[in-house]
Amino acid sequence: QKEVEQNSGPLSVPEGAIASLNCTYSDRGSQSFFWYRQYSGKSPELIMSIYSNGDKEDGRFTAQLNKASQYVSLLIRDSQPSDSATYLCAGSPYSSASKIIFGSGTRLSIRP
Amino acid sequence: KAGVTQTPRYLIKTRGQQVTLSCSPISGHRSVSWYQQTPGQGLQFLFEYFSETQRNKGNFPGRFSGRQFSNSRSEMNVSTLELGDSALYLCASSAQTGGSSYGYTFGSGTRLTVV
Repeated sequence: QKEVEQNSGPLSVPEGAIASLNCTYSDRGSQSFFWYRQYSGKSPELIMSIYSNGDKEDGRFTAQLNKASQYVSLLIRDSQPSDSATYLCAGSPYSSASKIIFGSGTRLSIRP
Repeated sequence: KAGVTQTPRYLIKTRGQQVTLSCSPISGHRSVSWYQQTPGQGLQFLFEYFSETQRNKGNFPGRFSGRQFSNSRSEMNVSTLELGDSALYLCASSAQTGGSSYGYTFGSGTRLTVV
């Protein structure tokens, strides 16, 4: 079982709609979770971090964490064509909190 | 503030050779991690260094090694290159000190092609 799992997509969402990206993790003791965005040919860029159960909002982005269900999600409101990218979910294992393990990423395409 | 700097950007090597990649972290960041990214395997963790000590290691063969210097700059070495080592190698730095992770800032990567 992979430590962090994501649906690889592609996920196609119309411009202006809400894009919902999901991720599950296997290490129940994990404390820190991250969402990175990676444009084609570029390196990953940190867009959200979340450490506590519940929602965390930053502009059009909302990260959600449910530790009981071992589930992390990212919502992008008012999706724009510039949001088209691969979104990587990541978490830090309980045994190695300074190490970050990435999921395989979900490709998101925003159609005009 | 300068970002994470990786050199070189591109490398072409022959099977059996060795290669050294360099990474300069963001000023003040003491944690440096290395990742291998391939289309099939995604981002795979290689190792993490903090204050010149390897703190975490991924599941890569011993041909992959690294080190960190007193100024936090890090190098990664791959010996006896194989075709399967062709990948984008990403370095990332973090301001974390203790157990919690604050997330990484990535460099632009080194694209290694083994022929």
